[in-house]
This record gives sequence, C-alpha cells and structure tokens, in this order.
Amino acid sequence: KAGVTQTPRYLIKTRGQQVTLSCSPISGHRSVSWYQQTPGQGLQFLFEYFSETQRNKGNFPGRFSGRQFSNSRSEMNVSTLELGDSALYLCASSPNVGASYEQYFGPGTRLTVT
Amino acid sequence: DAKTTQPNSMESNEEEPVHLPCNHSTISGTDYIHWYRQLPSQGPEYVIHGLTSNVNNRMASLAIAEDRKSSTLILHRATLRDAAVYYCILGLDSNYQLIWGAGTKLIIKP
Repeated sequence: KAGVTQTPRYLIKTRGQQVTLSCSPISGHRSVSWYQQTPGQGLQFLFEYFSETQRNKGNFPGRFSGRQFSNSRSEMNVSTLELGDSALYLCASSPNVGASYEQYFGPGTRLTVT
Repeated sequence: DAKTTQPNSMESNEEEPVHLPCNHSTISGTDYIHWYRQLPSQGPEYVIHGLTSNVNNRMASLAIAEDRKSSTLILHRATLRDAAVYYCILGLDSNYQLIWGAGTKLIIKP
C-alpha cells in the first residue's frame, strides 16, 4: 500500500498571501488529521476530519481551515499568512476514528513565510 | 489538562536495550498510551500503543505501570537507525485527540 502523500513538499510564500496544502491518505483510511510542527512549540494539533466532517479542532485562529473530500483526500488552507506560520505541516491518516487507532504520517510540507 | 512528561534526551550504546520513561499522571481510565518516533527530516512513525496491559510488537515493548500514571518504551537491542525523537502521547477517549509531549531525543553511540 502506498503511504500518506503530501503536496507540495516545500513552499515559500509572502506575508499576507494564502496557501493550500494537500494530503492523500492511505487507501481505505477515512480519518485525516493535520498538525503544525515548529522548533519552539513542537507538534500541535490543527484539526481532524472523518467522512468529510471536521470532528476535532485545535487551538488555532480561524485563518487555518481545512476540508475533506469524498475520496478522503484532504486540504488545509491558511489565509493571510504571517511569519509565525512558517512550519512543517504534517498530515496523518488513520483507518478509523478513536483513541485506539494508530496514525500514519506523511513526510510533511515545509512552509516558509517571508 | 492531559499531558505527558519525558526526559529531554537519553544516550545509549548500540546493541544494548533502551528504556524510555514517560509520566502521564493526568491519564483517564480509558485514555490510550501511544509512542511515535521521528527521524530527522521525516514525519513521525508509529511505534506502539496500549491501554492497560503490556504490549509487544516487532519494533518495541510497552510496559505500563499498574496505576497507569507512567509507562516505559523498551527497545530491546538499539541500533544506530533507532536514533530519533521518541514521543509519548495520550490518546484521549473523550475526544479521540492525541496529546503530544515534547519528546525524548535518543542518541545511540556506536
């Protein structure tokens, strides 16, 4: 089975712009979660989608949004980019929703905001 | 708030067992304990998880204290490829979120 794929792998944007990141989960997985990883804050949960519905949301401003399509592929969008949004954005898929399921991570998208 | 506490770093010799500790005193009765690791420039990788009893898989063993307030990840024979940041995580039964700690950087000496 192919693993979780994320596109693009690297991105450079300017303050004030908006960006869309894409994630394709492992075939058959219905849950997709997004995380932001920075050296100072570590791994922080953004949101989780299951069957096209946002089930959980972390403590991030409304500039961060996401969606999931019927084929379980997911996108996240960040509007009005700030310098502090520079981070590694990780997507993880899981076969189902629940605390007992393991997550499988993609390689991440490295976003740099200048 | 649910959280985990781990040492910032640990060193071990190659081909020796490694015991990585984690405290999670705020754990609820139905929360799961997960371990992931992250190699440089890669996304995190699932290692093992459990609820109450000890768990074994091909990568590692997870020993959970009887009161569930702490756990230990055991790598039976460390190799240089095991050098990574190891995260101890609570999987909350209340909302299914994974609560990540700061992780332990494991250094393997040849």
